[in-house]
Amino acid sequence: NAGVMQNPRHLVRRRGQEARLRCSPMKGHSHVYWYRQLPEEGLKFMVYLQKENIIDESGMPKERFSAEFPKEGPSILRIQQVVRGDSAAYFCASSPPTGRQTLAKNIQYFGAGTRLSVL
Amino acid sequence: LAKTTQPISMDSYEGQEVNITCSHNNIATNDYITWYQQFPSQGPRFIIQGYKTKVTNEVASLFIPADRKSSTLSLPRVSLSDTAVYYCLVGVITGTASKLTFGTGTRLQVTL
Repeated sequence: NAGVMQNPRHLVRRRGQEARLRCSPMKGHSHVYWYRQLPEEGLKFMVYLQKENIIDESGMPKERFSAEFPKEGPSILRIQQVVRGDSAAYFCASSPPTGRQTLAKNIQYFGAGTRLSVL
Repeated sequence: LAKTTQPISMDSYEGQEVNITCSHNNIATNDYITWYQQFPSQGPRFIIQGYKTKVTNEVASLFIPADRKSSTLSLPRVSLSDTAVYYCLVGVITGTASKLTFGTGTRLQVTL
């Protein structure tokens, strides 16, 4: 059973370009989360999605950032017109449907992350 | 969400037992305590979760006193590969999925 897959692992963009980060959740998982991590800091929540729905985007900047989790295909985190401050590691996590969360409470499974560098 | 406080860093020698304590004075009745481990250049990995008393799995033990205002992650006989950042998370588990709130964690360095 493959884990959470993120690609690319490393992404280099120049200021003003667009960055697209992809995340395929674990098989059977219907919840996807995106987090951002700056060096020497903990992960900061950005957005939580279920298939075709955004459940909580309270941690996502209002401009330039968007996320989707279509019915078919991976979840996409899109950053338009990137700036140097967007340079960070972006992690995706997934969790099973809530009906299967009884014993293992809200455990999230993380991918290896995408490291975005903005030149 | 209850705020957590844990040491910024800890050092240990290989083969020793390591105990990392997390303070969560404002923990609520419905909050669970969860620990994650993060290696460099990787995403966090779930280690253990508990509500009260003691929980043990193949990786670690989690000790939670009766007042639940703190918890201690115990790693028996650490090896070099246990060098990582360890995060203590406290939050409500309602049966519905929700975001996780990470602090800065405890950076454990294991040496020979």
